[in-house]
Amino acid sequence: AQSVTQLDSHVSVSEGTPVLLRCNYSSSYSPSLFWYVQHPNKGLQLLLKYTSAATLVKGINGFEAEFKKSETSFHLTKPSAHMSDAAEYFCVVILDRESSARQLTFGSGTQLTVLP
Amino acid sequence: NAGVTQTPKFQVLKTGQSMTLQCAQDMNHNSMYWYRQDPGMGLRLIYYSASEGTTDKGEVPNGYNVSRLNKREFSLRLESAAPSQTSVYFCASSFRDRSNQPQHFGDGTRLSIL
Repeated sequence: AQSVTQLDSHVSVSEGTPVLLRCNYSSSYSPSLFWYVQHPNKGLQLLLKYTSAATLVKGINGFEAEFKKSETSFHLTKPSAHMSDAAEYFCVVILDRESSARQLTFGSGTQLTVLP
Repeated sequence: NAGVTQTPKFQVLKTGQSMTLQCAQDMNHNSMYWYRQDPGMGLRLIYYSASEGTTDKGEVPNGYNVSRLNKREFSLRLESAAPSQTSVYFCASSFRDRSNQPQHFGDGTRLSIL
């Protein structure tokens, strides 16, 4: 079985300060992990993915995430927030990277607010 | 622009009415998916089509049917709408039905059942 927990439903940061969005997963195998972003009234867009190569994964728009197996975490970070980063972020896990996408498990989402 | 197109964007129905949500992709993807998004619950898979000519149930298929009309189009039908089906519906596609393939999402259909 697999599950994913996004530890914060809402995060607020000031523009120019660092962003940290937390995600913990539960999986018996070596999982694949993703972060997606959803802007208002839009569909989800892939930010980055981890599929067993480097543990530090760089994505679009300056975001990155680090896979830590010992902590079963895949936290999303960005050094300096921009107003355009305000959106909802979803952590997604699947236990077997060769599995069908029907076995993807989506987190409940973290709403990021960026204050001027 | 290439991508996934969903129609309509908004719809209000009365309980018991039927309707079909349309989805088309122009990226030559083989696999297509229908999700629903409810507050605090992330996305849940309703149905998917791993390839043209095949469809399978996802996590929450009750009350829905799908048709993979051709490689480009994948529709979702509510035969008798219920208030519990009020949600935002997303269609997605990917080149192959494998978890390491990124999914491309449409902008969603916001559906209210009164």
